[in-house]
Amino acid sequence: ETGVTQSPTHLIKTRGQQVTLRCSSQSGHNTVSWYQQALGQGPQFIFQYYREEENGRGNFPPRFSGLQFPNYSSELNVNALELDDSALYLCASSFWTGGYTFGSGTRLTVV
Amino acid sequence: KQEVTQIPAALSVPEGENLVLNCSFTDSAIYNLQWFRQDPGKGLTSLLLIQSSQREQTSGRLNASLDKSSGRSTLYIAASQPGDSATYLCAVSPGGATNKLIFGTGTLLAVQP
Repeated sequence: ETGVTQSPTHLIKTRGQQVTLRCSSQSGHNTVSWYQQALGQGPQFIFQYYREEENGRGNFPPRFSGLQFPNYSSELNVNALELDDSALYLCASSFWTGGYTFGSGTRLTVV
Repeated sequence: KQEVTQIPAALSVPEGENLVLNCSFTDSAIYNLQWFRQDPGKGLTSLLLIQSSQREQTSGRLNASLDKSSGRSTLYIAASQPGDSATYLCAVSPGGATNKLIFGTGTLLAVQP
């Protein structure tokens, strides 16, 4: 049974640029969620995908978007990066009624 | 709006001590509650998942309890070890159409050898 894999592990981008983060779900999980964790804070829910459709969204602007693919892997895209987007981005997969399995995260730094 | 609070924010204990971490939530209508561990700069490791119909879960030296009516959960760590040093996060799932998690800000635990 494989876990949740995220890539890349670290990333540095310039303000205004666009970034794509990737996530491979744990085998058998059909739901993927993305979270943003600022330093010293708990993770904040960005959005969730279930069967390739967005299935809920937190308080994040439209420049945060995502995709889920038929194999349940997922991408998080952020356009027009701002300094405040610097954070640890966490992907989590689950079966609908079960608990979550998190990846190790992508550390994004916007300069 | 569901809010999750964890007390204390930080805790330092000597090795071997038993300890309790607290989590409270404002809306008792939850689907489940999960405790996670996070090492510095790393992702989250799931420790225990308690469904809303359950009262407690145990795994090794860890025991988590859930009292939905009072909006509280505790994580009990027995015989603490330096390797237990990490941030412990509590998260509730409100259920409904989106199976999302709402997190507290965590308790930073340091176990001194």
